Amino acid sequence: GAVVSQHPSRVICKSGTSVKIECRSLDFQATTMFWYRQFPKQSLMLMATSNEGSKATYEQGVEKDKFLINHASLTLSTLTVTSAHPEDSSFYICSARDSRTETYNEQFFGPGTRLTVL
Amino acid sequence: GENVEQHPSTLSVQEGDSAVIKCTYSDSASNYFPWYKQELGKGPQLIIDIRSNVGEKKDQRIAVTLNKTAKHFSLHITETQPEDSAVYFCAASKGNAGNMLTFGGGTRLMVKP
Repeated sequence: GAVVSQHPSRVICKSGTSVKIECRSLDFQATTMFWYRQFPKQSLMLMATSNEGSKATYEQGVEKDKFLINHASLTLSTLTVTSAHPEDSSFYICSARDSRTETYNEQFFGPGTRLTVL
Repeated sequence: GENVEQHPSTLSVQEGDSAVIKCTYSDSASNYFPWYKQELGKGPQLIIDIRSNVGEKKDQRIAVTLNKTAKHFSLHITETQPEDSAVYFCAASKGNAGNMLTFGGGTRLMVKP
């Protein structure tokens, strides 16, 4: 149980285009999902907290108009990188919290999406 | 906010030896401490976690200890194997709904056969 999938696993795009990444909880419902960015040999940096049916909460320094988050259902959150530039190239990872165990912050992580912007 | 520091950043051990990774945290209200293993090109996988109402937890070759007074917790891996080679992250959280995990900087563990 507690499986989280991400799609696509890898994406290469041209500068100026937009890219959408999907995060799905496969066998549980997640009212809260998180989006992280990880640069090579660095730790995970939280970008935003995605709440089902409401607006996402962004961390300081993360542009909400550039990184659009939609959490339209209890099993799906999407991250859209708009007008991508080479500096947006990174490993994007989502995680989800099981709605049944929200008293403790157990998070289940997806396999990540490698974004390369040319 | 919470700050989590992790040491060492790299650790090399011989197969069969033990490995210890240590983390300290700053927020005394934190009460949930997971450890994640991340292999190259993959997402983090939870390997063990501990909550503030216990001091030690063990799962086969992996154990975690927690010292709330000193605000530090450690991961212990015994009888290391080459497949244990990966990056390990500690994290801390207050555990309330909506509270996020704060990650340590990571430890790259290399187990030499």
